[in-house]
Amino acid sequence: DTGVSQNPRHKITKRGQNVTFRCDPISEHNRLYWYRQTLGQGPEFLTYFQNEAQLEKSRLLSDRFSAERPKGSFSTLEIQRTEQGDSAMYLCASSSYRDRGYNTEAFFGQGTRLTVV
Amino acid sequence: QQQVKQSPQSLIVQKGGISIINCAYENTAFDYFPWYQQFPGKGPALLIAIRPDVSEKKEGRFTISFNKSAKQFSLHIMDSQPGDSATYFCAASISGGYNKLIFGAGTRLAVHP
Repeated sequence: DTGVSQNPRHKITKRGQNVTFRCDPISEHNRLYWYRQTLGQGPEFLTYFQNEAQLEKSRLLSDRFSAERPKGSFSTLEIQRTEQGDSAMYLCASSSYRDRGYNTEAFFGQGTRLTVV
Repeated sequence: QQQVKQSPQSLIVQKGGISIINCAYENTAFDYFPWYQQFPGKGPALLIAIRPDVSEKKEGRFTISFNKSAKQFSLHIMDSQPGDSATYFCAASISGGYNKLIFGAGTRLAVHP
């Protein structure tokens, strides 16, 4: 396992089209996160999965966005009816849970760069 | 509302110099403060992290200083090298929950030879 894997690395789509991104976390990690990063900004939290359960969604995640993590393994992020404002880097991260309430480090993938034209 | 403020936006340092990046947070519930390094086209990678039970943590050339009363923390890069040229992000999260990271806006560091 070489880390968090995201596909595709780049996606160019026309406004109004639907796109889907995939994230394969580190295999033993039960926690998975999606972040969005726009140019010149830090990543912003979008959503979090613990195993297959989606436990938090940011207000940034409009109803055009949906994320799934079937069977607690890989995850997909779908954007419907894309808009130019959706252009960003979409990052996936994973981590595991340790005893005494401390989380382990979150490892990030290389991201999917979305350009909506 | 931005909860982690980072400065400066950009920084130019000569090789061998010290790079200093500062962050301030608002939420007193934060108790995990990592720094991430990001190269162009790559995802962020954890550099060093600190919890508020210590005031300083050092790993090689990288040091985090933490001031709990001021709600501030900073990254010091000693003997800066051209290979350190990257964007650095501070972040904060709450232990005991999941690792939802709140990031600063980033500092673009350029180390000139």
